[in-house]
Amino acid sequence: QQQVKQSPQSLIVQKGGISIINCAYENTAFDYFPWYQQFPGKGPALLIAIRPDVSEKKEGRFTISFNKSAKQFSLHIMDSQPGDSATYFCAASAFGMDSSYKLIFGSGTRLLVRP
Amino acid sequence: EAQVTQNPRYLITVTGKKLTVTCSQNMNHEYMSWYRQDPGLGLRQIYYSMNVEVTDKGDVPEGYKVSRKEKRNFPLILESPSPNQTSLYFCASSSTPSGLGGYEQYFGPGTRLTVT
Repeated sequence: QQQVKQSPQSLIVQKGGISIINCAYENTAFDYFPWYQQFPGKGPALLIAIRPDVSEKKEGRFTISFNKSAKQFSLHIMDSQPGDSATYFCAASAFGMDSSYKLIFGSGTRLLVRP
Repeated sequence: EAQVTQNPRYLITVTGKKLTVTCSQNMNHEYMSWYRQDPGLGLRQIYYSMNVEVTDKGDVPEGYKVSRKEKRNFPLILESPSPNQTSLYFCASSSTPSGLGGYEQYFGPGTRLTVT
């Protein structure tokens, strides 16, 4: 059962354009929503994260928009650059009733920014 | 330099031959985790550990074992590998997540495993 659904699977954007990646979740107990960026041959690295008590978070060219009622969140990359070409993963996490903690990832979006 | 290291980075083995992938972190993190990455499936959690001697199953634990005898090390053991365990494996660590929301997980460089 996939608890975090991510789309699109791949995305091609021209330099200077806006890249938008969407995620939807099912578990209303999720309380932390990070986005990870992964370059070929590397491990994922945290890009930006948001908690459900805010609707938007911006860090430089990267913005997370969060819609709690729709259980959706998205990553916007403004003025996309070739160096942004990477795979992006959304994720969600929550503590379980037994104090367990899991981070659930989406399936990933491969972004290519053309010069 | 703060980092998570994994060894080996690449491994080709045969069905049934026990193997261990090591993971070590130098950030004094309590939480460590193993993921496998497969095309179209993203990263799926195999096992995690909240602290020394405390481990628990993730979403895809079948065929794997872990141990956490020391805070810095979290090895992944495949006692009888099968071809469906061919994958890219990542170890990650973080400070203990709290009720205020999760913490950044730091990922290792990955181990590409092929089981023939």
